[in-house]
Amino acid sequence: ETGVTQSPTHLIKTRGQQVTLRCSSQSGHNTVSWYQQALGQGPQFIFQYYREEENGRGNFPPRFSGLQFPNYSSELNVNALELDDSALYLCASSTTGSRSYGYTFGSGTRLTVV
Amino acid sequence: LAKTTQPISMDSYEGQEVNITCSHNNIATNDYITWYQQFPSQGPRFIIQGYKTKVTNEVASLFIPADRKSSTLSLPRVSLSDTAVYYCLVGESGYSTLTFGKGTMLLVSP
Repeated sequence: ETGVTQSPTHLIKTRGQQVTLRCSSQSGHNTVSWYQQALGQGPQFIFQYYREEENGRGNFPPRFSGLQFPNYSSELNVNALELDDSALYLCASSTTGSRSYGYTFGSGTRLTVV
Repeated sequence: LAKTTQPISMDSYEGQEVNITCSHNNIATNDYITWYQQFPSQGPRFIIQGYKTKVTNEVASLFIPADRKSSTLSLPRVSLSDTAVYYCLVGESGYSTLTFGKGTMLLVSP
């Protein structure tokens, strides 16, 4: 059973640019969530995808968008990058209706905006 | 979702038992208590979940008093590899998102 894999592991972008982060779900999981973790803070929920549609969103602006593909993998896109977008971006997969123990996180993508 | 309060940091030595207490005064009837562990540059990892009384697994124990307004994660005989941030989460079973606080940074020294 493979876990959640994210790519790339590290990324440096310039303010104003766009970025795409990728996530492959754990085998058997059909739901993907994305979290942003700033330094010294806990992860903050961005959004969740199920059946290729967004079915929950945290307090993040529309320039944060995502996709889920038929194989349950997912992308997180961020447009017009700002310095405050620098963070660890975590992907978590689960099955629908998982209790909170059912989430498997990847190791994240460290994004630095300069 | 119920708000949680936990110590910002704790120090311990190898071989000691560590107890991390989380306060959740506004916990609702349907809420479960879940603990996650996070190592640097890794995603959080589920440790344990409970509703009331005591739950034990191969990693930790979770103690929940009758009023459920607090809970204590107990790590027996910690080692250096237990140095991590520990998060207490409270929410309904089956809820679709996880709400993390700042967690407790546990430092285990030789």
